Amino acid sequence: QKEVEQDPGPLSVPEGAIVSLNCTYSNSAFQYFMWYRQYSRKGPELLMYTYSSGNKEDGRFTAQVDKSSKYISLFIRDSQPSDSATYLCAMTRLGTTDSWGKLQFGAGTQVVVTP
Amino acid sequence: NAGVTQTPKFQVLKTGQSMTLQCAQDMNHEYMSWYRQDPGMGLRLIHYSVGAGITDQGEVPNGYNVSRSTTEDFPLRLLSAAPSQTSVYFCASSYSGTGTEKLFFGSGTQLSVL
Repeated sequence: QKEVEQDPGPLSVPEGAIVSLNCTYSNSAFQYFMWYRQYSRKGPELLMYTYSSGNKEDGRFTAQVDKSSKYISLFIRDSQPSDSATYLCAMTRLGTTDSWGKLQFGAGTQVVVTP
Repeated sequence: NAGVTQTPKFQVLKTGQSMTLQCAQDMNHEYMSWYRQDPGMGLRLIHYSVGAGITDQGEVPNGYNVSRSTTEDFPLRLLSAAPSQTSVYFCASSYSGTGTEKLFFGSGTQLSVL
């Protein structure tokens, strides 16, 4: 069983709708959570990160973490065609050099925003 | 700044051939890593380095070698290519590798092994 599960989609929404993405994880040692965005034929780029449970907002994007349920979410408000991409969740343990550089990624969810 | 540069962008190999995927960064980052991306599997760590002369294995290291002789370069060597190594390969770098800083990715190398 993978440590991080993410529905691959595709998720198709009309322009202006709210996009809701999520990941579940099994390792309770994960403490640092990230969302990367990947456009077609490009490398991923960091979108948001958070340490703690609760919500974090950045413009149209909201990242949510529920450590008790081992569940993280990303919401995109007022979605635009330019938001069409694959969104990957990633997470890591903290505190020891053994965890350095060892991010665990979800499989990625493909999002298509139609005009 | 160019960021993280990967070459080649595309490569076709025959089973048993060897090749080196190149990765260079100009941000003076200590940490560099190689991932492979397969459909439904996400990004999986192959090898990583926390500085020149220091490398370690990731989740899927078999069939790959790395070395880090300079801060800037981190090549990935396929010793004897197999069809199972058909994938998209990404090189990434960051300031220290603790996992809490932003990873900068290259644009990838699409490799097909026939």
